[in-house]
Amino acid sequence: AQSVAQPEDQVNVAEGNPLTVKCTYSVSGNPYLFWYVQYPNRGLQFLLKYITGDNLVKGSYGFEAEFNKSQTSFHLKKPSALVSDSALYFCAVKGGATNKLIFGTGTLLAVQP
Amino acid sequence: GAGVSQSPSNKVTEKGKDVELRCDPISGHTALYWYRQSLGQGLEFLIYFQGNSAPDKSGLPSDRFSAERTGGSVSTLTIQRTQQEDSAVYLCASSAIAGEANTQYFGPGTRLTVL
Repeated sequence: AQSVAQPEDQVNVAEGNPLTVKCTYSVSGNPYLFWYVQYPNRGLQFLLKYITGDNLVKGSYGFEAEFNKSQTSFHLKKPSALVSDSALYFCAVKGGATNKLIFGTGTLLAVQP
Repeated sequence: GAGVSQSPSNKVTEKGKDVELRCDPISGHTALYWYRQSLGQGLEFLIYFQGNSAPDKSGLPSDRFSAERTGGSVSTLTIQRTQQEDSAVYLCASSAIAGEANTQYFGPGTRLTVL
């Protein structure tokens, strides 16, 4: 069965510093991996996805993610954090014949000014 | 263009009442998904529609939950005889087709509170 894990409930980073939000996955077959962000009282916003090709995927708002097959990881990164990046981040993998999303538990990113 | 819309944004109901939640997907999107977000269970899949049919209902937690989709567009999620454990945010998502590579776009959600 497909699954993802987000080992950190919360990540704290100072504004201007690089940030990393971790995600590991377990899939049978090719992984299709996604990152979404959720701001307070809002739905999920798509950030980026890995389907195939380059291991470094670039997405919205300056975010990128690195796919690492040997470590089964898909960590979200940004070179310089902004206070406005503070939100809840979800990693997800496509699963099943209907390609529903299977989500991690989420990581709260707090960027201090 | 317009994104996924959901109504109502908030719904407060009494235990035992029925509720209907509505989702308007992005125009032209054939695949529609319902998810539920709750503190205890995180984000979990409920049901998937391709067109008007629902080939995957595996996530519906009980027979009190049902959903339909008409005209390949609007979907309604109905919860009968609501219970306090049904309190959650119900999220709808749509994608152009249900392919592995296709991105699902989410609506703002309906926050359901059962008193």
